[in-house]
Amino acid sequence: QVTLKESGPALVKPTQTLTLTCTFSGFSLSTSGMRASWIRQPPGKALEWLARIDWDDDKFYSTSLKTRLTISKDTSKNQVVLTMTNMDPVDTATYYCARSVESGAFDIWGQGTMVTVSS
Amino acid sequence: QSALTQPRSVSGSPGQSVTISCTGTSSDVGGYNYVSWYQQHPGKAPKLMIYDVSKRPSGVPDRFSGSKSGNTASLTISGLQAEDEADYYCCSYAGSYTLVVFGGGTKLTVL
Repeated sequence: QVTLKESGPALVKPTQTLTLTCTFSGFSLSTSGMRASWIRQPPGKALEWLARIDWDDDKFYSTSLKTRLTISKDTSKNQVVLTMTNMDPVDTATYYCARSVESGAFDIWGQGTMVTVSS
Repeated sequence: QSALTQPRSVSGSPGQSVTISCTGTSSDVGGYNYVSWYQQHPGKAPKLMIYDVSKRPSGVPDRFSGSKSGNTASLTISGLQAEDEADYYCCSYAGSYTLVVFGGGTKLTVL
């Protein structure tokens, strides 16, 4: 059974750096074709893709946020980490981790973690 | 503003069919057969319903079907059931620079 679970702070202050961890099981990010993405959803708004890391360590970022994002993986711990710098109240959202395979569709999602940016 | 355009809301009665459209450009929906659809119930994570335009993951009822014509993809739900009431999002591959774009979401109400 494939599962993903996000963890991180529920509250961050403006200008701080957010670090989120996705811990997964049931698959390996060292297996060819496996990928993990971060996607966020502000309250009452649409989904927004943020970043992706592939089995071969290729990394991809949202063009609008790429200067603020870093994605990495620890294959031995089955974890993917996202850092987002210079947090702003508009970054308040539920942040999801999701797996994708060759087609690119996000077939398994974590439960999400809500992050509020406020002083 | 989302890259892909979806109607804000659609509705239908139980047993009826509804279609949700997702309009993009030749750089995303029209350029690749990598459109996916997600169902999201309130307070829950999205769930993959359709991938590669028209393929259904295991466990998704065959009442859900997908198609594409030009720059517009569509999700059709036939035999509407109460539990289909949810938000639906389309998503498309958009090339190696942009990579992924989502639609703004459509709220389906089962009357």
